Amino acid sequence: EAQVTQNPRYLITVTGKKLTVTCSQNMNHEYMSWYRQDPGLGLRQIYYSMNVEVTDKGDVPEGYKVSRKEKRNFPLILESPSPNQTSLYFCASSLTRRKDNEQFFGPGTRLTVL
Amino acid sequence: AQSVTQLGSHVSVSEGALVLLRCNYSSSVPPYLFWYVQYPNQGLQLLLKYTSAATLVKGINGFEAEFKKSETSFHLTKPSAHMSDAAEYFCAVSSTGGFKTIFGAGTRLFVKA
Repeated sequence: EAQVTQNPRYLITVTGKKLTVTCSQNMNHEYMSWYRQDPGLGLRQIYYSMNVEVTDKGDVPEGYKVSRKEKRNFPLILESPSPNQTSLYFCASSLTRRKDNEQFFGPGTRLTVL
Repeated sequence: AQSVTQLGSHVSVSEGALVLLRCNYSSSVPPYLFWYVQYPNQGLQLLLKYTSAATLVKGINGFEAEFKKSETSFHLTKPSAHMSDAAEYFCAVSSTGGFKTIFGAGTRLFVKA
């Protein structure tokens, strides 16, 4: 089944404790992206990647890191989480970077930082 | 800069009634426009998209949207609401620079029996 998977689905952590949220897609997509969803703000892009070893900042990159060493994986790293990073996170992928391409979303990771 | 405005954070309709979710965009060039739906505890999935081929776009589950350049709108409609349509709906526009999709704040649709 074609899908985007994220782990963990739920995570409660404390301020300053490094964490990684994994994202993997099995559709051989070039483009991958991370979003955070907050009430009243919709989805805001954190980072995106147009292919292996090619990443760039989105609209809200502060406090996050990403890497793209393999085409299928695009982990999101929070090196020193803070409470304002409490949010619902989505990974998404699309076939290419073309602007008319549909994005496929993972099920989301709900993160709480105490 | 591109932006998307969804009018109404919550919309409530009766089962069988018309669904109308409003979306207005701003863009300096012809845009690509999308509607996504998010069911509870799930990721977003594509309902339909406009890519300049036809102004009236039909999507899944009986939804459609009409691109109106003069009004910079891309409203989502469905003639008859079903209980299973209760979800959050997001309008989105593709960016002119780089590759970014800008999402609206979302509209939560409630369907009353």
